[in-house]
Amino acid sequence: GEDVEQSLFLSVREGDSSVINCTYTDSSSTYLYWYKQEPGAGLQLLTYIFSNMDMKQDQRLTVLLNKKDKHLSLRIADTQTGDSAIYFCAERSNTGKLIFGQGTTLQVKP
Amino acid sequence: DAGITQSPRYKITETGRQVTLMCHQTWSHSYMFWYRQDLGHGLRLIYYSAAADITDKGEVPDGYVVSRSKTENFPLTLESATRSQTSVYFCATSGNEQFFGPGTRLTVL
Repeated sequence: GEDVEQSLFLSVREGDSSVINCTYTDSSSTYLYWYKQEPGAGLQLLTYIFSNMDMKQDQRLTVLLNKKDKHLSLRIADTQTGDSAIYFCAERSNTGKLIFGQGTTLQVKP
Repeated sequence: DAGITQSPRYKITETGRQVTLMCHQTWSHSYMFWYRQDLGHGLRLIYYSAAADITDKGEVPDGYVVSRSKTENFPLTLESATRSQTSVYFCATSGNEQFFGPGTRLTVL
């Protein structure tokens, strides 16, 4: 069935790069998404990538997609304390549903 | 303003009562979704709708009812609330991007 896996926790120092990884199982996924959730807030769409792309860059964010391995990553360059949050990976199947990972808590130490 | 709104933002109710959570979007997106978010479970899909009058079950539909008579509205009803339905509920809509509403924090006593 459809499943999305993420590591639960990542700690980095301010100014370093963060890389959050995600694996998914549905090979028919059309889009893959990254969301950010700050405490007590809703989910903010950060970026998404279409399944026929390998990479997408948007300012400090770089998304890499390895479709063969069903692996997605989000790199945040020059990580700031304001980047501390939970990051969710999600895949969109051809039925339109999104399947979410459990979320990765990113801790940025000053 | 364009967007997705949810109401109420906070709700406290008692076991056995009926509760309806509202979701409204202004984009005319075909797809709408209801999720619940609980510690340790991430986001779980309750119901979704591909268009007006078309709804389908998600991962955790038991105890919930939805309807979609108009494209812009997708209410979620808890017919007889239970403590296990205490959660944060998010509505979402989808074109290529899926946008989330601000959430409704529901407490069932």
